[in-house]
Amino acid sequence: AQRVTQPEKLLSVFKGAPVELKCNYSYSGSPELFWYVQYSRQRLQLLLRHISRESIKGFTADLNKGETSFHLKKPFAQEEDSAMYYCALHTGGFKTIFGAGTRLFVKA
Amino acid sequence: DAMVIQNPRYQVTQFGKPVTLSCSQTLNHNVMYWYQQKSSQAPKLLFHYYDKDFNNEADTPDNFQSRRPNTSFCFLDIRSPGLGDAAMYLCATSRGMEGGEQYFGPGTRLTVT
Repeated sequence: AQRVTQPEKLLSVFKGAPVELKCNYSYSGSPELFWYVQYSRQRLQLLLRHISRESIKGFTADLNKGETSFHLKKPFAQEEDSAMYYCALHTGGFKTIFGAGTRLFVKA
Repeated sequence: DAMVIQNPRYQVTQFGKPVTLSCSQTLNHNVMYWYQQKSSQAPKLLFHYYDKDFNNEADTPDNFQSRRPNTSFCFLDIRSPGLGDAAMYLCATSRGMEGGEQYFGPGTRLTVT
């Protein structure tokens, strides 16, 4: 079955601390993975995708096919990173499966 | 700014009373999607249009229909809303076959009384 699992509903860290938001997927094909973010009172927007291997707002994510994971990391969390983060698996064509999301709260 | 617009942002309807949610886009994207998102859950794809081609997800109830009269507009019709249909409805677009990168509207929160 095709599935995206984000095991943490809420993650709370202090400003300046490292943060890792976990994402695991289940998919038999070649996965295309994304992280989307939703800041308070804003729309869902793309943060990054695994194929571009870029760092956005200090966040990176590496696809680990052996562990079927795509964890999102940032070495030093900022208060403005507080948001809802969704991991998403594009299975080809027009189907994207979203995880249930992790709410990140960065404390001052 | 090019964007995806949803109207209204909040919609209240009565049990069994048909309701239509609308979405428009200025991105000129071929593909438009409708997602349903219930509290603390993942957005769930209901259907999408690739140009005029409509594609329904297998588990989307018949109660949900969609129309796309032109590239810019797409509507979600709920024929007989039940209490279980109360949710946030998200419209999104994507460019051609780049289905993974989607642009979302702000959503319409539907309440069924």
